[in-house]
Amino acid sequence: SQQGEEDPQALSIQEGENATMNCSYKTSINNLQWYRQNSGRGLVHLILIRSNEREKHSGRLRVTLDTSKKSSSLLITASRAADTASYFCAMQIQGAQKLVFGQGTRLTINP
Amino acid sequence: DTAVSQTPKYLVTQMGNDKSIKCEQNLGHDTMYWYKQDSKKFLKIMFSYNNKELIINETVPNRFSPKSPDKAHLNLHINSLELGDSAVYFCASSQIKVGNTIYFGEGSWLTVV
Repeated sequence: SQQGEEDPQALSIQEGENATMNCSYKTSINNLQWYRQNSGRGLVHLILIRSNEREKHSGRLRVTLDTSKKSSSLLITASRAADTASYFCAMQIQGAQKLVFGQGTRLTINP
Repeated sequence: DTAVSQTPKYLVTQMGNDKSIKCEQNLGHDTMYWYKQDSKKFLKIMFSYNNKELIINETVPNRFSPKSPDKAHLNLHINSLELGDSAVYFCASSQIKVGNTIYFGEGSWLTVV
């Protein structure tokens, strides 16, 4: 299956702590993206990292990509209660015009 | 203004019925998608259209028939609904040449009883 795998499936931390989510995949990719989904809502794009990039920052988000290990991580620093959501990685597969999603990490930030 | 809008948001219907979900995007994108999210939150692509032409069909049962009257609209028609069709269906769009970031609608919650 081309589906990505995310780890952990669920993460619960205290407000102010950092949250790290990991994603692994099996095929060659053009880029990897992270999306956020609030309960009952659609997915919102957070950040994209290309296959020739190793790290990218956007505000409190830091994404890394290791193509040799076929893995990526999303770090949210100084977490806030409003960060509570599900986070999905999505891989743009080489040679295919589609994104393949991981199963998501459900993040809960406790005030 | 909503970028990708889909209707209805909630739909409860009986097995065997036929139903449609409509989707419109006002982003000027040339590619539109239908994704299905099951109860375990797995998100899988069903169809993709580029400028009204079908480019991806992920072995979805032929009871599901997408229709794209123009590049701003992609509707999903489902015949003979089954219990297993219960899921959240997301419409999405993207501009192929711009890193393929996808913009999602808010989802349509389909429950088949």
